[in-house]
Amino acid sequence: DVKVTQSSRYLVKRTGEKVFLECVQDMDHENMFWYRQDPGLGLRLIYFSYDVKMKEKGDIPEGYSVSREKKERFSLILESASTNQTSMYLCASSLEQGARETQYFGPGTRLLVL
Amino acid sequence: GQNIDQPTEMTATEGAIVQINCTYQTSGFNGLFWYQQHAGEAPTFLSYNVLDGLEEKGRFSSFLSRSKGYSYLLLKELQMKDSASYLCAVRDLGGSYIPTFGRGTSLIVHP
Repeated sequence: DVKVTQSSRYLVKRTGEKVFLECVQDMDHENMFWYRQDPGLGLRLIYFSYDVKMKEKGDIPEGYSVSREKKERFSLILESASTNQTSMYLCASSLEQGARETQYFGPGTRLLVL
Repeated sequence: GQNIDQPTEMTATEGAIVQINCTYQTSGFNGLFWYQQHAGEAPTFLSYNVLDGLEEKGRFSSFLSRSKGYSYLLLKELQMKDSASYLCAVRDLGGSYIPTFGRGTSLIVHP
């Protein structure tokens, strides 16, 4: 059974703080993704990674960066948190770039930036 | 990119059947996913369609018409636990295998 875990379920930070969201998957998946989910906007892709030390921008990368130093771990970094980054953050992984490959999601981190 | 449209909210009665529609526009279609997401939880995979027709999986079925840019998720014998958001996600041929998600349909099942 695939397991994707995220370091925190809830997080409260102040404007300007540097924020790290960690994601770990235990099934040796090649691909990892970070999304944010907002009411009325659905899931939007921030960054993704196909391999260790590799990263690609998604649809809304501004204000975020990522790090993938090990295959199982993908970190999302908010260099200087702002109130408009208050959201639910979801990490996902998938095995490879096959057409049928589904994504497995973590439980999410609800971030509040004050 | 894709334009994906789903109803925002639907309500239905326990034991009934409900159909959740998803329409999309894409330059090169390469598969459509349905995910279920209960409040406060992770989305979980329900179905995948890449060819026209109906895919049945227990109480849930998913239909695709590529020529019409249309899919639906059919839920039969509704149970209270089916109250959740249902996310339609479409993948196109443009370089990456990452699907784009619609805004989701919130389904409320009442007794």
